[in-house]
Amino acid sequence: GNSVTQMEGPVTLSEEAFLTINCTYTATGYPSLFWYVQYPGEGLQLLLKATKADDKGSNKGFEATYRKETTSFHLEKGSVQVSDSAVYFCALSGMDSSYKLIFGSGTRLLVRP
Amino acid sequence: GAVVSQHPSWVICKSGTSVKIECRSLDFQATTMFWYRQFPKQSLMLMATSNEGSKATYEQGVEKDKFLINHASLTLSTLTVTSAHPEDSSFYICSAKDRELVGDTQYFGPGTRLTVL
Repeated sequence: GNSVTQMEGPVTLSEEAFLTINCTYTATGYPSLFWYVQYPGEGLQLLLKATKADDKGSNKGFEATYRKETTSFHLEKGSVQVSDSAVYFCALSGMDSSYKLIFGSGTRLLVRP
Repeated sequence: GAVVSQHPSWVICKSGTSVKIECRSLDFQATTMFWYRQFPKQSLMLMATSNEGSKATYEQGVEKDKFLINHASLTLSTLTVTSAHPEDSSFYICSAKDRELVGDTQYFGPGTRLTVL
């Protein structure tokens, strides 16, 4: 079946460091891929998405490229801030019309000043 | 932006009682809402898909008689945990899909923490 695998956290970085959170997926066909972020005490928010191979999603300095050949959708940011501290979830949507999301286990990011 | 609310944000109940959780789309209409369960430090697991005016579709392994879902209007879905037990303690999250938008973007509520004593 379809699944998403994320690197385990927590990831602890100093402010202005480079961030990479790995995400790989298993799916038949061509799913849409997402990164969601959950700030402390808040609900999940869509950070970025990509709907087809080689698409790059970007938002708030974060980027992720849909790599079909490696079935990956790694999240990157060139210079993290303390306010980026949150839990990041990689997800894919089903290839049917149900719009179901399948989530990875989440990666907690802690950015220290 | 699209806002989804949940009520209550947290609830503590005694074992054997039932608890109702509401999920509302505040500024859009949602023909489809989803209910997830999140265990501590784990991912979200889809429990069921709620479609306005029809029966919910439950994921494999989810007891439909225990987790009753009602989607009576385009802005409200409810999840009732019946005869709750301590193992039902969890963080329950809903999401909603805007009926006016094509595609698969979902908007998430802030979640409801249920503790069963």
